[in-house]
Amino acid sequence: NAGVTQTPKFRILKIGQSMTLQCAQDMNHNYMYWYRQDPGMGLKLIYYSVGAGITDKGEVPNGYNVSRSTTEDFPLRLELAAPSQTSVYFCASSRSQPGKNNEQFFGPGTRLTVL
Amino acid sequence: GESVGLHLPTLSVQEGDNSIINCAYSNSASDYFIWYKQESGKGPQFIIDIRSNMDKRQGQRVTVLLNKTVKHLSLQIAATQPGDSAVYFCAETVTNAGKSTFGDGTTLTVKP
Repeated sequence: NAGVTQTPKFRILKIGQSMTLQCAQDMNHNYMYWYRQDPGMGLKLIYYSVGAGITDKGEVPNGYNVSRSTTEDFPLRLELAAPSQTSVYFCASSRSQPGKNNEQFFGPGTRLTVL
Repeated sequence: GESVGLHLPTLSVQEGDNSIINCAYSNSASDYFIWYKQESGKGPQFIIDIRSNMDKRQGQRVTVLLNKTVKHLSLQIAATQPGDSAVYFCAETVTNAGKSTFGDGTTLTVKP
């Protein structure tokens, strides 16, 4: 299994540009998550999904959109990039919901800079 | 609101010493906790978890202690090695909430 994969690894955007961060998992996990991690800080949940066709907002959803058309893929869309969105973005997945002796598996991250 | 915080943002230890990383949480309804390790340039990785009906759980060289009375969690690493240098996060979860809350992390540096 490749686990959780993310593309691209790095990206520089200009203010106002849009892009999609890709995330895929091959573990047949139902739950998927998008986090952002600012320098020296912890992880903030942006959006999560409990299964194909179902998404929900996390702590910091503004400026982002997600979709979950398949179990495997959970892309994150930035429509109008702003400098405040400069961060490292992590995608994660879990077999079922946290709290059932169930860990999250993380991808390697996408480092995004908005200038 | 909910928050998970860490007492010490950085910790430096000598190789071979034991390390203790602390975490405070504020949601008394949290019933499941995980410690993650994040090496430089990588995503977090699971280390050990504990449910709220336990106060101690041991793994290989790691022990997690939970004190629900004061809402405190700690991670103990025995015989710390250079490969243990990383940022350590605790995460708290309320079962059926569907998501976890992460703390800000402690940076552990192991000196040879």
